[in-house]
Amino acid sequence: GAVVSQHPSRVICKSGTSVKIECRSLDFQATTMFWYRQFPKQSLMLMATSNEGSKATYEQGVEKDKFLINHASLTLSTLTVTSAHPEDSSFYICSARVWKTGELFFGEGSRLTVL
Amino acid sequence: SQQGEEDPQALSIQEGENATMNCSYKTSINNLQWYRQNSGRGLVHLILIRSNEREKHSGRLRVTLDTSKKSSSLLITASRAADTASYFCATYGVDRGSTLGRLYFGRGTQLTVWP
Repeated sequence: GAVVSQHPSRVICKSGTSVKIECRSLDFQATTMFWYRQFPKQSLMLMATSNEGSKATYEQGVEKDKFLINHASLTLSTLTVTSAHPEDSSFYICSARVWKTGELFFGEGSRLTVL
Repeated sequence: SQQGEEDPQALSIQEGENATMNCSYKTSINNLQWYRQNSGRGLVHLILIRSNEREKHSGRLRVTLDTSKKSSSLLITASRAADTASYFCATYGVDRGSTLGRLYFGRGTQLTVWP
């Protein structure tokens, strides 16, 4: 299957700093990427849908200014957690939709810990 | 919400036994997918069943779909210790008034297979 690379896999930061997480489709073009958040032993909650070249569509309750999403190319979407707080600590997972087939592939996730 | 709900939340069995997990959802769907997630890792796509299909097989996996009851089941036969993971069902649909398709995940079933 297609490969989605997510980086970094783990990040620890101080409260108040910003953290950027990258999601790359390595061998296919992804017009749409999705960002999920997962708390321990819970399901994936869709945060936002990222479309190449346009603004992201955020789910209800997700702060746009807090979680900045940029999808500048067909192979890269970034999620920036701004002014991170301990409650932002979570597992963030991206998925990318293959442009031609519509299949979805997931990254390995990024564990954010805010001290 | 279109989110699926898995049942049971946790399942513990011995190697060689079969494991059955159920999923219920709320709205009409285009397809239903099952994913596997090892602890702290990303999601691995297992199988997709379309709304006009009733049963699908893939190796030791058997998935059924009953759209009249809005439910699906995942059966893993002859389980192995390596099958220990969380299993999620995800429904794929398009929100009313939108052309954007999304995946919505259930809470997952934590399967533990003892050697």
